[in-house]
Amino acid sequence: AQSVTQLGSHVSVSEGALVLLRCNYSSSVPPYLFWYVQYPNQGLQLLLKYTSAATLVKGINGFEAEFKKSETSFHLTKPSAHMSDASEYFCAVTVPTGNQFYFGTGTSLTVIP
Amino acid sequence: GAGVSQSPSNKVTEKGKDVELRCDPISGHTALYWYRQSLGQGLEFLIYFQGNSAPDKSGLPSDRFSAERTGGSVSTLTIQRTQQEDSAVYLCASSPRTGGGTDTQYFGPGTRLTVL
Repeated sequence: AQSVTQLGSHVSVSEGALVLLRCNYSSSVPPYLFWYVQYPNQGLQLLLKYTSAATLVKGINGFEAEFKKSETSFHLTKPSAHMSDASEYFCAVTVPTGNQFYFGTGTSLTVIP
Repeated sequence: GAGVSQSPSNKVTEKGKDVELRCDPISGHTALYWYRQSLGQGLEFLIYFQGNSAPDKSGLPSDRFSAERTGGSVSTLTIQRTQQEDSAVYLCASSPRTGGGTDTQYFGPGTRLTVL
């Protein structure tokens, strides 16, 4: 089975500062990895995904993540935080032949003006 | 181009009652997923449909939970004899083809279930 761990349930950054949200995964086979954002009272929206192509993945809204096999990590970054980035972020893992997606417990991002 | 819709958006029920939650996936999407999101928890996988078939029911937490999908479209998640621990947001997602990670899942806004 696969799993993800999101370190830090709450992260606060100043507007304009670097955003770093951490995700570590566990998988016995090469994984597919995802980052989703959940705005209040809305469903999850895909930010980006890694499916074994380039290890540096660029997503929407200026976010990117790097797959590091040696560190079993898939951290989400954004160079400069905007107020509109404040939301809940989820990391998820699956495998190419799998049907189940395993989600982390989420990280709530606060952006301080 | 409507997205995934779910109804009702909010449901308050009394302990012991049955509830039905509905999901309308994006037209043409063959894969459909149900998840449960409890307060402070990540998303918990419940069940996956490919067409009308559910090859993976392993995530259903108890035999009080069941789901069906008809016509390869609408899905209903039924919880019988609800308990307070069933209180959560129930999310539905659909994707174009098969399961696995190559397809993007599109999520609905969820149904917030409160069991008193």
